[in-house]
Formats: sequence, structure tokens, C-alpha cells
Amino acid sequence: EPEVTQTPSHQVTQMGQEVILRCVPISNHLYFYWYRQILGQKVEFLVSFYNNEISEKSEIFDDQFSVERPDGSNFTLKIRSTKLEDSAMYFCASKLRESAGETQYFGPGTRLLVL
Amino acid sequence: ILNVEQSPQSLHVQEGDSTNFTCSFPSSNFYALHWYRWETAKSPEALFVMTLNGDEKKKGRISATLNTKEGYSYLYIKGSQPEDSATYLCAFLYTGNQFYFGTGTSLTVIP
Repeated sequence: EPEVTQTPSHQVTQMGQEVILRCVPISNHLYFYWYRQILGQKVEFLVSFYNNEISEKSEIFDDQFSVERPDGSNFTLKIRSTKLEDSAMYFCASKLRESAGETQYFGPGTRLLVL
Repeated sequence: ILNVEQSPQSLHVQEGDSTNFTCSFPSSNFYALHWYRWETAKSPEALFVMTLNGDEKKKGRISATLNTKEGYSYLYIKGSQPEDSATYLCAFLYTGNQFYFGTGTSLTVIP
């Protein structure tokens, strides 16, 4: 069964460093998402992406964040200058159509720790 | 920020018991409600996508209902088994693409 994959599974970085989190969505899916979950808190929406453009973004997704689909298979989230509060689990998700009734498929997440 | 609440936060039941959890969400601007089953160290797995008031969905021993007018959804598990132990998450789709998640209900089924 097709699945969303994410790499790395864990990343430790120093405050101020740039990190790139990678996702490979399901191959025929067209809509892509990033979420994060800070330990003990709710899963939060960061950004949605379609047709090589950001469709929507939350207040969390400030200028430090960017997303890209560089090669038609990977979908990346870049954090330019990490802060301690960026430590969280980051999930990628994808779905085939925009329809509200469409199932969204999640990856297993990347646990980011900023020291 | 929209508030999506789930209750209870955690639940321990004996194998064979039936149980249910609640997800409450704003009753305006409803697009869809998604239920996920999430085991530790795995991807959240989609259980149900519900879009219409009065929807009832079923998958094996798990079922869900939806009331968009009053802003709640129930998830039921009949005859709980140890493999049902997981966190059950609901996600409210507010716009076409923006989900708001509940905190989840952590279910432990004791053999």
C-alpha cells in the first residue's frame, strides 16, 4: 500500500542552524501539508501546498519557514534559523484531491530537537 | 484559533467492553471532520472522513456519528480488543485546507 515517508526520523540541531525536513508524498497525490506537534500539545497546521504554490498557511508559518517541491517527488520544509521553540514532531501529509471528503495520509514524522 | 476538544483525555477499559469518545468543534463553517487512529511511533491512520450532518460510518467494530448543527462527533468501539489501544484524534476541517486537531483520546484496552 502506498505511504507517505519522511526523513530523517530524528534530527538534533543547534539553535540558529538551518534544517530541511524531507517528505515523499504518495506518488499521484496533488495536495501536500506540513503539521507540527510540540510535546504535550495539539497537532497544529503549518502550511498547505498545491501546484507549486502555498495554498494556505497558519500564523506559525512565518518568514523562517519555507516549503518546496524541488523535483516532483520530494516535498521539503525548511526552517532557516531554528529556535528552541521549534522543537517538535513535524508531520507531512498528502491527499489526492481537494475535496473535503478526501482522506489525508500522514507520514510517520520527524522529531526535531533544537539545542 | 478554533477550539476542537476531545473527551475523555484518556480511558482504560477491559477487553470486551464497548466504549465511546467525543469530539466537539465549532458548528459554523463546517467542511469535514476526520477521525484518525494513532499508535506510538507510527503515522496517524485515517479511520473516517465525515462531511454531512447525520453521517454514520462504520469500519468493523468501530463506528462514528456526526452532528454538525450542535458541533460534535462520537466514535464508538464495540467489544474493545488490546489491539485497539491507541490515541484517537479528530480533526476539524475549517477551510478547504486548514485542519484543527483535538488533543486526542488515549485508549488502553486491558487484556
